[in-house]
Amino acid sequence: EVQLVESGGGLVQPGGSLRLSCAASGFTFSSYWMHWVRQAPGKGLVWVSRINSDGSSTSYADSVKGRFTISRDNAKNTLYLQMNSLRAEDTAVYYCARDSATADSFDYWGQGTLVTVSS
Amino acid sequence: EIVMTQSPATLSVSPGERATLSCRASQSVSSNLAWYQQKPGQAPRLLIYGASTRATGIPARFSGSGSGTEFTLTISSLQSEDFAVYYCQQYNNWYTFGQGTKLEIK
Repeated sequence: EVQLVESGGGLVQPGGSLRLSCAASGFTFSSYWMHWVRQAPGKGLVWVSRINSDGSSTSYADSVKGRFTISRDNAKNTLYLQMNSLRAEDTAVYYCARDSATADSFDYWGQGTLVTVSS
Repeated sequence: EIVMTQSPATLSVSPGERATLSCRASQSVSSNLAWYQQKPGQAPRLLIYGASTRATGIPARFSGSGSGTEFTLTISSLQSEDFAVYYCQQYNNWYTFGQGTKLEIK
């Protein structure tokens, strides 16, 4: 069974940093591209970042470019999102999601981890 | 950026009836369109990809159609577990989601 479990969320002050993790199991993690998607309270889904299967290529939404860094450790079956210079508008539930092998849709999602940026 | 617009924002339908949800793209996304279902406090679940292909384990009452800029998700006979928020997503040019349609019980 495919499982994605996020961790690392919490309360952080504006300008602070946080690193999210997403532990994957039930599939060959190293074969799949992975994504981070966020959802502000009561709002819709917004794509944040993407990484290819071996970690050599990354992409970001303009809203987080230069502040967030996506990475992965295929030996540990874990995806990361390093978030720096956090702003109030980064407050959201952050989901990791697997990129489908047959299309670019997101076929499995974690349960999400809440990041709150507030003083 | 491709903007995805869903309508209506809220749809009230009785159990057993048919629901039709719409999604429009600001420019052609070919058939690179997915639909997701999200229930309160849960992660989204993939329903449809490639505009019309059901994801693994999705019941046949869910169907998708369209290409280019106009897409439709149809739920043929609503079950109680289908009342949720539905999002469309294009993955033709990066990734953008619609704002969602809340399907509520009438």
